[in-house]
Formats: sequence, structure tokens, C-alpha cells
Amino acid sequence: DVKVTQSSRYLVKRTGEKVFLECVQDMDHENMFWYRQDPGLGLRLIYFSYDVKMKEKGDIPEGYSVSREKKERFSLILESASTNQTSMYLCASRSGQAYNEQFFGPGTRLTVL
Amino acid sequence: AQTVTQSQPEMSVQEAETVTLSCTYDTSESDYYLFWYKQPPSRQMILVIRQEAYKQQNATENRFSVNFQKAAKSFSLKISDSQLGDAAMYFCAYRSIGNQFYFGTGTSLTVIP
Repeated sequence: DVKVTQSSRYLVKRTGEKVFLECVQDMDHENMFWYRQDPGLGLRLIYFSYDVKMKEKGDIPEGYSVSREKKERFSLILESASTNQTSMYLCASRSGQAYNEQFFGPGTRLTVL
Repeated sequence: AQTVTQSQPEMSVQEAETVTLSCTYDTSESDYYLFWYKQPPSRQMILVIRQEAYKQQNATENRFSVNFQKAAKSFSLKISDSQLGDAAMYFCAYRSIGNQFYFGTGTSLTVIP
């Protein structure tokens, strides 16, 4: 089974802190994604990566950056956390085959105080 | 960008009955993929069913089936013989040729014993 893991289930940070969210997948998938999930807004794409060291902006990249130094790991970085970044963050991965779905991690619920 | 609309924020169904969740999307692409995902409370998002746009036949997976109407840009999910374990948030998703996934805002399904 594909496994996508995220470094924390719950995280509490202070405004202005630098925050790292880590995601690791074990199926050698080329593509990895970061979403935020908010009630009534569904999932919104922050960034995605289709290869090591490659990244593409999604719909809401402002305030975020990403890093993909190894194929299995995709990190989301909040350079200076703000209260409006309090949310559930979901990581996903998928292979390059067109038919294939995304596999999701368990999510990180981030609270910024 | 493509948009995905789920017009039913909440739905309920009696156990053993059938329920249909609606999804419409907007696109100018001719080839794409559509997915339904299930997110149980506090659990990981998992794939329920997928449909390729070039296939006219509706996809089925056991008790789950779709009604795909390409011209109407409609992709509804039918759950037959509903079970308590079907209670979850359901997301409709569209995958573009550009590798991005677009998600609807979700439908929260309650199953009444």
C-alpha cells in the first residue's frame, strides 16, 4: 500500500514563527502536492512538484514556499506564520500515470496564535 | 482554472437506502479525469471511484457508481445500500491535463441508523 506520512498531526505555533511541514511518500511517486483544507472552501492547492527540485505554484501560494530535495520528501514552509494560516494541511502524492489518483497523508492541523 | 461545484453541503440517508451526491464542473478541455474521494472523520482521504472523460460507460465500484454526463458537465455519485461506515465528507475532484487537481467544497454525508 502507498503510504504518505506527515510529520505532525497537530501543531501550534506563534505568529511570526517559521514553520516546516514535512511529507514523505514511500512509493517513488514523481508528483507531490500541498493543499490546505478549510470548512466551506474544500481543498485548495498551495504548491505541487513533479520532480526533485521542481515546483509549481498552485492557487494560493502567497505566504508559503516549498522544498523538494529528495524524491520522497516534500516540505511546506511558512516563512512567517500568520493567524490566517491556521488550517488543515494535506499532502498528497501520485505517480506520473494519467489515470492514477492522488494518495493523501493524514493531515496536519496547524494553529497559529 | 477549472471549477468544481458541489451544491449540497450536507446530505443524510437512512441506513440501507440509496443516496446521490451531486457534482458539476466547468472546463474547456475534452479529455480529463474525475474522482470522488471520501474523508471519514479524523481519517485520511481515500479514493472512492474514478471516471475517464473519454469513456462513456459509467464507473462502478461495488455499492458506489457514478452518473457521468459529459455534455452537462455533471458527475454525481450514487451510494447504494448505505452503511454506517459511509458517513464522511465526500469530495468531487477534476484532474486537468496540466496535472492539477481541482476539488469541490465537499458534501458531508450522515447515515441514520
